[in-house]
Amino acid sequence: EADIYQTPRYLVIGTGKKITLECSQTMGHDKMYWYQQDPGMELHLIHYSYGVNSTEKGDLSSESTVSRIRTEHFPLTLESARPSHTSQYLCASSEYRRQGGKETQYFGPGTRLLVL
Amino acid sequence: GESVGLHLPTLSVQEGDNSIINCAYSNSASDYFIWYKQESGKGPQFIIDIRSNMDKRQGQRVTVLLNKTVKHLSLQIAATQPGDSAVYFCAENYGGSQGNLIFGKGTKLSVKP
Repeated sequence: EADIYQTPRYLVIGTGKKITLECSQTMGHDKMYWYQQDPGMELHLIHYSYGVNSTEKGDLSSESTVSRIRTEHFPLTLESARPSHTSQYLCASSEYRRQGGKETQYFGPGTRLLVL
Repeated sequence: GESVGLHLPTLSVQEGDNSIINCAYSNSASDYFIWYKQESGKGPQFIIDIRSNMDKRQGQRVTVLLNKTVKHLSLQIAATQPGDSAVYFCAENYGGSQGNLIFGKGTKLSVKP
């Protein structure tokens, strides 16, 4: 079992509100990720980080932002939530292998967000 | 272009039968593959992985087969159980995309009792 946690698990919020989704891992992994996933659909990478003070945009454009002040923590923030942000958000982490090689990602349980 | 896709979006099997879930990939440089299982309301869970220098790897009730000639990956589940019902994703890594995994569309496996 991977030790990666996400809170809240479910969030219903009104349009225009600012929200922060929390993600923490206790495995000491350098690399962390955020994915957006609609039910039963593929995962879309929206942000990732190689380590502290590193943040990168993923393949899918997103209005969210992330920060990485501590190795174990990778929060995602939406400054002004909209109904189009309704989705499931998955956090993952992996070891970062600078010389290449496999980077198995371990996922948290996800946050289901509903913006009214 | 690069893509990871699945041949069948849904698969229904009888409990006790074997299941085979297929995945095609287009990037011949991919050297690492993972199968994930995602149950309803949960995050993807690692099942098994395989490097490109292998063509078969076995785990507990699961086997992954890799055919690099036709760029095909499959997940075999022996004696499928109701608890195997989930969406299964394959993912590939070719060292590009900053080493990130590329996920394909999932296959939903339904196990009939």
